[in-house]
Amino acid sequence: EAQVTQNPRYLITVTGKKLTVTCSQNMNHEYMSWYRQDPGLGLRQIYYSMNVEVTDKGDVPEGYKVSRKEKRNFPLILESPSPNQTSLYFCASSDGHPYGYTFGSGTRLTVV
Amino acid sequence: DAKTTQPNSMESNEEEPVHLPCNHSTISGTDYIHWYRQLPSQGPEYVIHGLTSNVNNRMASLAIAEDRKSSTLILHRATLRDAAVYYCILEATGNQFYFGTGTSLTVIP
Repeated sequence: EAQVTQNPRYLITVTGKKLTVTCSQNMNHEYMSWYRQDPGLGLRQIYYSMNVEVTDKGDVPEGYKVSRKEKRNFPLILESPSPNQTSLYFCASSDGHPYGYTFGSGTRLTVV
Repeated sequence: DAKTTQPNSMESNEEEPVHLPCNHSTISGTDYIHWYRQLPSQGPEYVIHGLTSNVNNRMASLAIAEDRKSSTLILHRATLRDAAVYYCILEATGNQFYFGTGTSLTVIP
């Protein structure tokens, strides 16, 4: 089944403790992207990648890192999480312009 | 940034057509118009996309204004399963997607 898989689905962590949210897709898509969703703000793009080793900042990249060492994986790294990064995170992949994205099921992160 | 404007919420009776509007006055010539929907507790789901001409698929129709500054997503017969938040998105170059806050559609039985 074609899908985008994120792990974990739920995560509670403490301020400052580095964490990684993994994202993997099995559709051989070149484009991948991370979004965060907050009440009243909709979905905002954090980072996106158009190919292996190519990443670019989205609307809200501060406090996040990403890497794209292989086509199928696009992990989101929070080096020093803070409470304002408490959010619902979605990973997505796409076959490129102008095709749409397939989204994962989301990761709900709480930073205390 | 390419931005869109949608009503916060809309209601529709079950089995009636629904017209969801979107304004995108800053659209550029190469921007595609995408529509996604998000059901409760799920990730966004692709609905339809288009550039200049109207588009139809099994889920919906997309009507694009001649000047491309607005578009309308048409659900031909709303069902309870269509209750969701609908996002109108402009895809800028480089496959960047700019989501807004969307329209929350309530379907009344």
